Amino acid sequence: NAGVTQTPKFQVLKTGQSMTLQCAQDMNHNSMYWYRQDPGMGLRLIYYSASEGTTDKGEVPNGYNVSRLNKREFSLRLESAAPSQTSVYFCASSAQTGGNYEQYFGPGTRLTVT
Amino acid sequence: RKEVEQDPGPFNVPEGATVAFNCTYSNSASQSFFWYRQDCRKEPKLLMSVYSSGNEDGRFTAQLNRASQYISLLIRDSKLSDSATYLCVVKGTGTASKLTFGTGTRLQVTL
Repeated sequence: NAGVTQTPKFQVLKTGQSMTLQCAQDMNHNSMYWYRQDPGMGLRLIYYSASEGTTDKGEVPNGYNVSRLNKREFSLRLESAAPSQTSVYFCASSAQTGGNYEQYFGPGTRLTVT
Repeated sequence: RKEVEQDPGPFNVPEGATVAFNCTYSNSASQSFFWYRQDCRKEPKLLMSVYSSGNEDGRFTAQLNRASQYISLLIRDSKLSDSATYLCVVKGTGTASKLTFGTGTRLQVTL
């Protein structure tokens, strides 16, 4: 049981390049989330998917797009990377049933944009 | 004003000490409250939920004061392995289970 997996673990991009961060969960969770974590800022929600087939903007969606490919997978795309997007990106999932709101996080992707 | 505010610390305490962290939240309609733990360069993990009546899990005690809109975490008999950042987390209203995270309080337990 892997939980939440993310690829890649590390990435260096040049300004203007694009990339997709992959996330998958094997817990049959309905909801999935993408966060970024910057020093002194805490975790900030980029996008979330409350259920398969739906996606919504979070607190900091500009510069990102997402795809909920199926119940297991939720990807985050940077179309034209900027240095301000240098951060640690975490994917998370939660059951969102029966009052269970615990979110399980993946190990993170450390992205540097030069 | 931030939705969830925490003292960033660090709190440096000797092994065996008792340490307490507080957190305040701005949305009085918030429904659920949690403490997460994050080790250095790792992902956050749920430590415990916080209930109105207060709850205890071994050496850890969480309290909620809705009137004053603050949450606390008490750690007794601190261990070296308790060294981590503790994130205060609040769930707002609405159907989606979006969580708002505080910036965290760093704890360093020393010999």
